[in-house]
Amino acid sequence: DTGVSQDPRHKITKRGQNVTFRCDPISEHNRLYWYRQTLGQGPEFLTYFQNEAQLEKSRLLSDRFSAERPKGSFSTLEIQRTEQGDSAMYLCASSTSGRALVADTQYFGPGTRLTVL
Amino acid sequence: SQKIEQNSEALNIQEGKTATLTCNYTNYSPAYLQWYRQDPGRGPVFLLLIRENEKEKRKERLKVTFDTTLKQSLFHITASQPADSATYLCALAAISGGYNKLIFGAGTRLAVHP
Repeated sequence: DTGVSQDPRHKITKRGQNVTFRCDPISEHNRLYWYRQTLGQGPEFLTYFQNEAQLEKSRLLSDRFSAERPKGSFSTLEIQRTEQGDSAMYLCASSTSGRALVADTQYFGPGTRLTVL
Repeated sequence: SQKIEQNSEALNIQEGKTATLTCNYTNYSPAYLQWYRQDPGRGPVFLLLIRENEKEKRKERLKVTFDTTLKQSLFHITASQPADSATYLCALAAISGGYNKLIFGAGTRLAVHP
């Protein structure tokens, strides 16, 4: 399977614990995005990587959230001191940059569903 | 503030009919607009992209229109099938800084009945 993969698919944790999610993008894709989706809503942008550089972070991404993409391949999203409000589906997407000002298609992974008790 | 609105109520139609979903937006001038399909517990799947200078795009049974004056996109599925039942998301994007940040609507759930 050459699509975007995410691990784990489901995570249940207690409030105050730290969690880390992993995303493996499509191999030739240099762009990687993280989104968060709550029930009945569309995905909300969290952060964007071009290769290993994190170029934008949403205001939704509080200080408890950190994302990395150390070698420009896979990415991790860590949430420290989880809160019940962090319960959501965390989606990763990847794309490849082409010519400037040309729209890219983002390919999404299956998501990691986080439940904070 | 930027706002994207999609039909919040589920759309129920009979198999074989045409489903039409609406996406309206305000305070935004997107370079292009995309439609995604999302099944329960899965990530969104890209369907179609239409640019601001295009009026209509087709792909098999799917058709998208984009009216930048009305700030509206319509998404049509002709000859609908029960397998088309899913949530359909509209996403707007502006190309800024060399990349594309998508802003999604809440989605419209489509149910096609046999």
